[in-house]
Amino acid sequence: VQLLESGGGVVQPGGSLRLSCVTSGFNFSTYAMHWVRQAPGKGLKWVSIISSDGLNEYYADSVKGRFTISRDQSKDTLYLEMSSLKTDDTAMYYCARVSGGGSSNPDYWGQGTLVIVSS
Amino acid sequence: SYELTQPPSVSVSPGQTATVTCSGDALTRKYAYWYQQKSGQAPVLVIYEDTKRPSGIPERFSGSSSGTVATLTINGAQMEDEADYYCYSTNSDSSSWMFGGGTKLTVL
Repeated sequence: VQLLESGGGVVQPGGSLRLSCVTSGFNFSTYAMHWVRQAPGKGLKWVSIISSDGLNEYYADSVKGRFTISRDQSKDTLYLEMSSLKTDDTAMYYCARVSGGGSSNPDYWGQGTLVIVSS
Repeated sequence: SYELTQPPSVSVSPGQTATVTCSGDALTRKYAYWYQQKSGQAPVLVIYEDTKRPSGIPERFSGSSSGTVATLTINGAQMEDEADYYCYSTNSDSSSWMFGGGTKLTVL
């Protein structure tokens, strides 16, 4: 199982960014997926989850209406579209696979992609 | 909003037992999961569904849950166990997922 995030970088407040998470080693279309972030020196914060079929999405209140999670089953890739970015969104963003079997917890994680929101 | 509460830090000597707690009202109905995160690395699952240990995790790691408190126990903590530990769970209607604030374990 491998997950590789990309798309991070420096963006101005109010700007937009799209993160990608390319997966391999498992049947992507049968697993729900999370995005989790971690501000520098801070704890883990859950951001969003999408069901295996892409029909159900949930978001943390802090990003609701600004972030959109999606997936491309043909490319085994998870996305996070981020808009109206704030300095508080500065963080390492991890994608993680849901373990399945009725549980919603992440089991495998990527190494993260760093997003810096700064003027 | 629903929260999971952990102590900010725990300190033990090598070979001693380390205990990290996580409190949340929904833990009476929802499982707790525990993650270990070492500096500069992605988190690693060390306990799932309150008490189960993934393959490859040392037997000194164990979990328990009673009422609104879940507990991670490391029997005979080693220097290599120094890390941040996070509990994870969901709210009562499974519409939101969260991590505890994290506990920094120091073994010295």
